[in-house]
Amino acid sequence: EVQMVQSGAEVKKPGESLKISCSGAGYSFANYWIAWVRQVPGKGLEWMGNINPRDSDTRYSPSFRGQVTLSVDTSTNTAHLQWTSLKPSDTAKYYCVRQDYSGSAAYWFDPWGQGTLVTVSS
Amino acid sequence: EIQMTQSPSSLSASVGDRVTITCRASQTIHNYVNWYQQKPGKAPRVLIYGASTLQSGVPSRFSGSGSGATFTLTISSLQFEDFATYFCQESYTTPYTFGQGTILEIK
Repeated sequence: EVQMVQSGAEVKKPGESLKISCSGAGYSFANYWIAWVRQVPGKGLEWMGNINPRDSDTRYSPSFRGQVTLSVDTSTNTAHLQWTSLKPSDTAKYYCVRQDYSGSAAYWFDPWGQGTLVTVSS
Repeated sequence: EIQMTQSPSSLSASVGDRVTITCRASQTIHNYVNWYQQKPGKAPRVLIYGASTLQSGVPSRFSGSGSGATFTLTISSLQFEDFATYFCQESYTTPYTFGQGTILEIK
């Protein structure tokens, strides 16, 4: 079974750093881009960026560029999302997703991780 | 950045109803649209990709259509388990923007 398994919920103070993780299982990890999606409680979905595990080529949404860093560790089939200085506005659930694709170069997100809730509060 | 305008933002319907949700892109995106369903407290799951291809395991009452800039998700006969929030997403170019969502509620 293909699955994405994320690290557990985090509670942090403003200004602290954080790195959350996402492990891919049941497929060839290097062959699929990994994307991260933010969902503020009660709100919609925002694509943050994606990373190619094969060469760490990374794309960021303009809204998140410079705010977060994506990385991968192919030795453990794990992707990471990190912040150097959290803000209360970073409070949200963060999903990692495998970016599936077809020969026509269409992409879609499947499967999704269970999400990691990050709470930033003083 | 492509904008995806989804309508309606909420919808009340009954079991057995046929419902349609529309997504309009700010520019032509060919058939690069996906549809997702999200239930409270759960991660989204893909229903339709490439505008009209049904993901494996998704009931056939779900269908997608459209090309260019206007797309629709149709549920032919609502079942109780279909009451959820639905999102469209363009996959034509990054950032892969989502629509704002449609909350489908029981009438």
